[in-house]
Amino acid sequence: QVQLVESGGGVVQPGGSLRLSCVASEFTFRHYGMHWVRQAPGRGLEWVAVISDDGSHKYYADSVKGRFTISRDNSMDTLDLQMNSLRPEDTAMYYCAKTWDSSGFSVADPWGQGTLVIVSS
Amino acid sequence: DIQLTQSPSTLSASVGDRVTITCRASQSISSWLAWYQQKPGKAPNLLIYKASSLQSGVPSRFSGSGSGTEFTLTISSLQPDDFATYFCRQYNSDSSWTFGQGTKVEIK
Repeated sequence: QVQLVESGGGVVQPGGSLRLSCVASEFTFRHYGMHWVRQAPGRGLEWVAVISDDGSHKYYADSVKGRFTISRDNSMDTLDLQMNSLRPEDTAMYYCAKTWDSSGFSVADPWGQGTLVIVSS
Repeated sequence: DIQLTQSPSTLSASVGDRVTITCRASQSISSWLAWYQQKPGKAPNLLIYKASSLQSGVPSRFSGSGSGTEFTLTISSLQPDDFATYFCRQYNSDSSWTFGQGTKVEIK
């Protein structure tokens, strides 16, 4: 059964940085696009970024463009999200999700259980 | 960017009721729409993909329909385990993905 385990969340001051990781198992990671999606407390879901299977294509939500960087290491089956210049509005649970194809332009399922990021002074 | 508008935002219903949730897209997304269920403290769980295809393992009381700009999720007979929040998500765009704002199904 596909497993996705996020880590790296925590409390950070505004303007700070944080790096999230998602370790994948029980599927051939290098064959699938991957997403990061976030959910602010008590709010809806917001797509953050997507990366293709080989890392050659990356897309970002306007709200994080220029501040966040998605990357992957197919030798280690890991997906990362480098978050810089963090703002209070970036406070959220961050989920990684597997897509059903190599490009990332498809259904996102399943999802990990998430890692919580709190941006506060 | 494509916007998705879900309605209603909250729905009060009883066990056994037939429940319908609507998701409208700001432009045509063909059938590239998925529905997710989310329970408190848990990650979203896929119910329906490509507007009407039932994900493996999901009870048959869930169904999806629609194409273009208007879509519906129907629960034919609401069960206690179905009280949750439901989100639609489009994957028509090749550079951005959006979710509906969610519909919370509450016990009446």
